[in-house]
Amino acid sequence: SQQGEEDPQALSIQEGENATMNCSYKTSINNLQWYRQNSGRGLVHLILIRSNEREKHSGRLRVTLDTSKKSSSLLITASRAADTASYFCAASGYSTLTFGKGTMLLVSP
Amino acid sequence: DAGITQSPRYKITETGRQVTLMCHQTWSHSYMFWYRQDLGHGLRLIYYSAAADITDKGEVPDGYVVSRSKTENFPLTLESATRSQTSVYFCASSISDYNEQFFGPGTRLTVL
Repeated sequence: SQQGEEDPQALSIQEGENATMNCSYKTSINNLQWYRQNSGRGLVHLILIRSNEREKHSGRLRVTLDTSKKSSSLLITASRAADTASYFCAASGYSTLTFGKGTMLLVSP
Repeated sequence: DAGITQSPRYKITETGRQVTLMCHQTWSHSYMFWYRQDLGHGLRLIYYSAAADITDKGEVPDGYVVSRSKTENFPLTLESATRSQTSVYFCASSISDYNEQFFGPGTRLTVL
């Protein structure tokens, strides 16, 4: 299995602080994706980083990928209360995506 | 309305009953997926479909049946519901099996 595993399981920060979440996976990947899930909602795709990329930015999001360590990180800068959600990484080999169990992020005003 | 929809949003049923969860997408995406989400397990793939009349098992297919006669619909049937199938079920669609997936709002199923 190339399941993604997020770390930490839960993260609590203040508004304005940065939030960093990590993901590890087990086998070679085609790409790695990050999703957000607000309470009671479906997942929303945030960003996709390909195996030949090392870093990618999208607004306040920064994703890094280290294929030698089979790990990725998601950085959310200047967090807002609206960023409160669960964040999942999903590893894509040459088949379907495999999701991790997620990091619950709580951003307090 | 464009997008991906699921129905019903909430369902309570009894052990042994047959239940069908519906999923409909308007993007003409080739791929569709069914996941279940349980505390402590994250999202687990039940079945997926690469095109009409092509389906394949995921990580946890036992107790579930799928069909895909039309590109836009991908129903999931629990032939004889069990308490262990109490979960939140998500349908998703994509242009491929490795691109970004678009998720529906979910169906919360309770089996008594």
